Amino acid sequence: EIVLTQSPGTLSLSPGERATLSCRASQSVRGAFLAWYQQKPGQGPRLVIYGASSRASGIPDRFSGSGSGTDFTLAISRLEPEDFAVYYCQQYGSSPYTFGQGTKLEIK
Amino acid sequence: EVQLVQSGAEVKKPGESLKLSCKGSGYSFISYWIGWVRQMPGKGLEWMGIIYPADSDTRYSPSFQGQVTISADKSISTAYLQWSSLKASDTAMYYCVRRVTGYYYFDYWGQGTLVTVSS
Repeated sequence: EIVLTQSPGTLSLSPGERATLSCRASQSVRGAFLAWYQQKPGQGPRLVIYGASSRASGIPDRFSGSGSGTDFTLAISRLEPEDFAVYYCQQYGSSPYTFGQGTKLEIK
Repeated sequence: EVQLVQSGAEVKKPGESLKLSCKGSGYSFISYWIGWVRQMPGKGLEWMGIIYPADSDTRYSPSFQGQVTISADKSISTAYLQWSSLKASDTAMYYCVRRVTGYYYFDYWGQGTLVTVSS
């Protein structure tokens, strides 16, 4: 089973700043099959990025994903108030399809 | 508009049975795999298993194999997650998800069903 470790656990930033979230895999993720999800309180997660770098439908271009192998990054270029949430990465290259433990992006 | 609408919150006792539902609309229900994801209190997400409603082909995560049963009724566009004997450790939020064709990531999520198991 591939274990995904997200860092930091909590990231405190101000609107307008840039956020960089990390997701590290215990072994190489086949095909860069990595997704990112955003979860706000009381809601189900929302797909943000798939294939490590492709934005999902309706996701603003301030969100970008990168990486391959074992190291992946989600960047948000200029934080808007609605971006503050918990973000999860998920690998779907190998069963079981595992998630990271999440990074909470909070307003500073 | 694609929607996955889940059944309401449940409070159960250990040993009881339970069946959660997830109704899909706004797309061809039989053409997409539907899965379930668990989120225990204060914890991350865990993929449980998935079903193809057209033929009921079902796959389970090893951690959940034998612990739950996933099924679907394509005539009413509804998928199910069921337990025959609940444990306190089944207390969690459960999400149904739609799998993107050909890949195991999920483009639509239900609103979640909170299951509380307590004596």
